[in-house]
Amino acid sequence: SQQGEEDPQALSIQEGENATMNCSYKTSINNLQWYRQNSGRGLVHLILIRSNEREKHSGRLRVTLDTSKKSSSLLITASRAADTASYFCATDVGSNYQLIWGAGTKLIIKP
Amino acid sequence: SQTIHQWPATLVQPVGSPLSLECTVEGTSNPNLYWYRQAAGRGLQLLFYSVGIGQISSEVPQNLSASRPQDRQFILSSKKLLLSDSGFYLCAWGQGGAGELFFGEGSRLTVL
Repeated sequence: SQQGEEDPQALSIQEGENATMNCSYKTSINNLQWYRQNSGRGLVHLILIRSNEREKHSGRLRVTLDTSKKSSSLLITASRAADTASYFCATDVGSNYQLIWGAGTKLIIKP
Repeated sequence: SQTIHQWPATLVQPVGSPLSLECTVEGTSNPNLYWYRQAAGRGLQLLFYSVGIGQISSEVPQNLSASRPQDRQFILSSKKLLLSDSGFYLCAWGQGGAGELFFGEGSRLTVL
């Protein structure tokens, strides 16, 4: 079953603008992770935020987590053409080493 | 540093033929290993995971099977492929519970 749902499904912005993607989930979690996937490639881990954390930063990435609303957001600041990719959230619900994945947000950065 | 290798990268097979996708991990020991399938434009569906040699857990009933003959080797197999087996298959490894995963480059399977 799908736990995380990303919003929007697709996002197209100009280079230099900020991109925000959201992830909602249904059950309590241990952690929430964001991954990037370039077209036809494997996924790359971006950031992990634990259920007792509210915000984390990594370079141009900022992730927030609101457990009361069961939602997370990924902000990419000063976007670049190389940020064009699909972005997935995945949640650890403490079940059998599984992560539960959303369907992803396809981000296109226009030069 | 740790690396993960997955092959073949692309595969076109007729219906009813066998399948073998291989994945190996270097630079770590006793990893958790995973096989995922990704339909076009969709998220990941967990097919199998393994926490040790010979230990395989299946999450989705299908005509696929997995084996872990060595600590850092994970194989996805089928005796007879179906059209519905077409997709993008991803191998991944991690340590501990459901923490950070490291993915291979994927294998695109087309069944005709």
